[in-house]
Order: sequence, then structure tokens, then C-alpha cells
Amino acid sequence: EDQVTQSPEALRLQEGESSSLNCSYTVSGLRGLFWYRQDPGKGPEFLFTLYSAGEEKEKERLKATLTKKESFLHITAPKPEDSATYLCAVGYSSASKIIFGSGTRLSIRP
Amino acid sequence: DGGITQSPKYLFRKEGQNVTLSCEQNLNHDAMYWYRQDPGQGLRLIYYSQIVNDFQKGDIAEGYSVSREKKESFPLTVTSAQKNPTAFYLCASSIEKYSPLHFGNGTRLTVT
Repeated sequence: EDQVTQSPEALRLQEGESSSLNCSYTVSGLRGLFWYRQDPGKGPEFLFTLYSAGEEKEKERLKATLTKKESFLHITAPKPEDSATYLCAVGYSSASKIIFGSGTRLSIRP
Repeated sequence: DGGITQSPKYLFRKEGQNVTLSCEQNLNHDAMYWYRQDPGQGLRLIYYSQIVNDFQKGDIAEGYSVSREKKESFPLTVTSAQKNPTAFYLCASSIEKYSPLHFGNGTRLTVT
């Protein structure tokens, strides 16, 4: 079954405490893996696209990496304003669509 | 500024009534999508359209209908046949099929 699984469901960190979020996928014909940030009551905001294993993208305190089966979103020295839900999505050609994981709720304590 | 506008932000309806959610984009994107988001769940695809006058069912299309008469507009109708319509509805667009999605800020529909 085509599936995108994110872990953990929720993560509470102290400000400055680095960690990683995981997104594993089982699809055929990966056409792109996307990371989004979603604040409460808002639509998701695009962060990164990764297309092939070994690719990495960085933006401020965030770094996304991709292997053949999973992606990681590394957060270095997070700040309270990084608190949000982070969504992973996969576009794949076998079903010609994009599917989302259920997200990781990240909370950063001052 | 270019973007996606969803209206209204909050919508309340009585059970048995149809309701239409608006989605307009000025990004000149060909593809448009409707997703539903429930608490603790990921986004689930309702309908999508790759081009004007054409659209396809997503994973949870039952009880919903759409139209794509103009490139800029992709309204979603939640019909009385949808068994559990209360949810957060998100509209998105993209340049092409596997490009990053740009989202509106959603419509929260409550049906009582």
C-alpha cells in the first residue's frame, strides 16, 4: 500500500536542543518529496523539495535529507518560533498524485 | 502579491444543506487541488484538476463535487451526501503535477 509515515507524532524540545523528524515512504516512482510547515489555523507553507537519494537542502535552522526509503528534517538549535506541525508529502508516478503524512507537532520551550 | 484565496474562513451549515467553498488563485498555475484535514490526520485528497474543464477524483471524493470553468477558480461543493463534513478544507495549486503545492489558509466548515 502506498503510504507516508511520520514520526514522532509529537516532539517537545528545549530551546537550543537539536533533533530530527522522520518521514518514511513506500511508493513506486518517486517524483518528489516535500516538507511543509503548518501553523495552527493556517495552510501549510512550503519548505523543501527533494528529488533523489543523497540530496540535501538547508534553510536557516532546518536541513532536509533524503534516502531511498525515508527523509529526515534536522532542526539545529531550535527557537520557540520553530514550533509548528511539520508535514511530509510524496509525489509518485504510479498513482499520479501527492499524498501526505499525518505530521509531527513540534513544540520548542524557551 | 500572488496567492490563493479561500473564503469564507469559517462556515456553519445545518445538516442536509449543500455548501460551496470558494478557492481563487492568481499564480497562473495549471493544477489545483482540494484537501481535507481532520485533527491528528494528514491531508487527504478530495479532487484535483490539472487543466481547465477537467478534474479527477482523489481518495475521498464521495459526497463532494467540483468544477473548473476558469483557470483561476476551483470551487468545492460539500453535498448532503457527505456523511461527516465537519473539517478543515484546504485548497492548493501548483505549476504542474509534481511541483510544490501552494496552499490557501483554509475554510473551517462546521455542520450541525
